[in-house]
Amino acid sequence: GQQVMQIPQYQHVQEGEDFTTYCNSSTTLSNIQWYKQRPGGHPVFLIQLVKSGEVKKQKRLTFQFGEAKKNSSLHITATQTTDVGTYFCAGRSGNFNKFYFGSGTKLNVKP
Amino acid sequence: DSGVTQTPKHLITATGQRVTLRCSPRSGDLSVYWYQQSLDQGLQFLIQYYNGEERAKGNILERFSAQQFPDLHSELNLSSLELGDSALYFCASSVAGTGGEEKLFFGSGTQLSVL
Repeated sequence: GQQVMQIPQYQHVQEGEDFTTYCNSSTTLSNIQWYKQRPGGHPVFLIQLVKSGEVKKQKRLTFQFGEAKKNSSLHITATQTTDVGTYFCAGRSGNFNKFYFGSGTKLNVKP
Repeated sequence: DSGVTQTPKHLITATGQRVTLRCSPRSGDLSVYWYQQSLDQGLQFLIQYYNGEERAKGNILERFSAQQFPDLHSELNLSSLELGDSALYFCASSVAGTGGEEKLFFGSGTQLSVL
């Protein structure tokens, strides 16, 4: 069945260091979304990628969708303490009604 | 504030009991999704409703059921509760039911503790 794997599970960085989380699907995705969940909060939509090889930027965040539309990454440049939280990818394929969430990467940023 | 309202925020109950979680979607949103998040875990998709009808089912146990009412609010019923059902239950809503850029707007969740 559809699976979306996300690594790493945890990442501890020093403020100012870069951070990357990766998402891999067992099947081709029609699109992929990224969400951020702050500690004690709820997931909040960040971005959606649709096209093969698509790259989108939001300030220090760079999102990529692989050429085969099976993988995606989120890269944060020069992390800040406000980046702390869990980042989830959510892939959709075939049946458009289901979002398959990755297990999330929990980012901790030490000041 | 996402505009999605979930009640109650916290629920403490005993094994074997039955509880109902409620979700009011954002104004205008027709789709409601239910997710379960266990401690430090990912989001497990349970079920989706669109305009009152069940649209998709995930890993939802037979002891769990849900429905969406004509006013579009949704309820998730959990019965014969077990210790392992303790989790944060999120409801999310969206405008679209299929395809397109369908952002999910999450509520603040209901923290269920089964003792």
